[in-house]
Amino acid sequence: KAGVTQTPRYLIKTRGQQVTLSCSPISGHRSVSWYQQTPGQGLQFLFEYFSETQRNKGNFPGRFSGRQFSNSRSEMNVSTLELGDSALYLCASSLGSRGFTIEQFFGPGTRLTVL
Amino acid sequence: KNEVEQSPQNLTAQEGEFITINCSYSVGISALHWLQQHPGGGIVSLFMLSSGKKKHGRLIATINIQEKHSSLHITASHPRDSAVYICAAPLAGNQFYFGTGTSLTVIP
Repeated sequence: KAGVTQTPRYLIKTRGQQVTLSCSPISGHRSVSWYQQTPGQGLQFLFEYFSETQRNKGNFPGRFSGRQFSNSRSEMNVSTLELGDSALYLCASSLGSRGFTIEQFFGPGTRLTVL
Repeated sequence: KNEVEQSPQNLTAQEGEFITINCSYSVGISALHWLQQHPGGGIVSLFMLSSGKKKHGRLIATINIQEKHSSLHITASHPRDSAVYICAAPLAGNQFYFGTGTSLTVIP
C-alpha cells in the first residue's frame, strides 16, 4: 500500500506570494491533518480535514487555509507569505473516524523557504 | 507553558545502554502518541496508547493516566536509534499538541 505523498518536496517563494501544497493520503484514509515544523516552535498543528470538512483547527492566522477533495486528497494554501512561514510542512492521514485517538501516518513533508 | 513537556531535550548514550525519555501533559487526554523523526524530516508513528504499556521490538511505551505521564524506553540502544523522539497528545478542543522533542544520539 502506498504511503502518504506530498508535493512538491521543496519550494522557494518570495515574501508576499502565495503557495499551495498538496497531500495524498493512504488509500482508504479519510482524515488528513497538516502540521508546521520550525526550529523555533517545533511541530504545530494547523488543521484537520475529514470527509471534505474541516474538523479541527490550530492557532494560525487566516492566511493559512486548506481544503479536502472527495477523493480525500488535501491542499493547504498560504497567502501573503512571510519570512516566518519558512518551515517543513507535514501532512498525516488516518482512518479518521476517531480523531487523534488513532495512529497517524506522516508524509515526507514539503520544505518551504520564503525569501 | 507548553501543554506537553518532554525531557531530556538532548540525550547521548553508548550503544547497548537502556534509554528513557519522559513526557508529561497538563490536562486529561484520550490518547498519547510517540513519534520518531530521522534527519531529513520523515516522521514515523511508533506508538499510540491510552493506557498501560505497549512493546514493539526494543521499544516500550508506558502511560500513567492518573499522573499524566508517559515514558518511552529503548532497550539495548543502537546507533540506528539516533533520531528525534516526540510525544504528542490531543488536548482540549481537539488541538493536537507536540512536545519539544528529545534528540537522541547513540554512539557506537
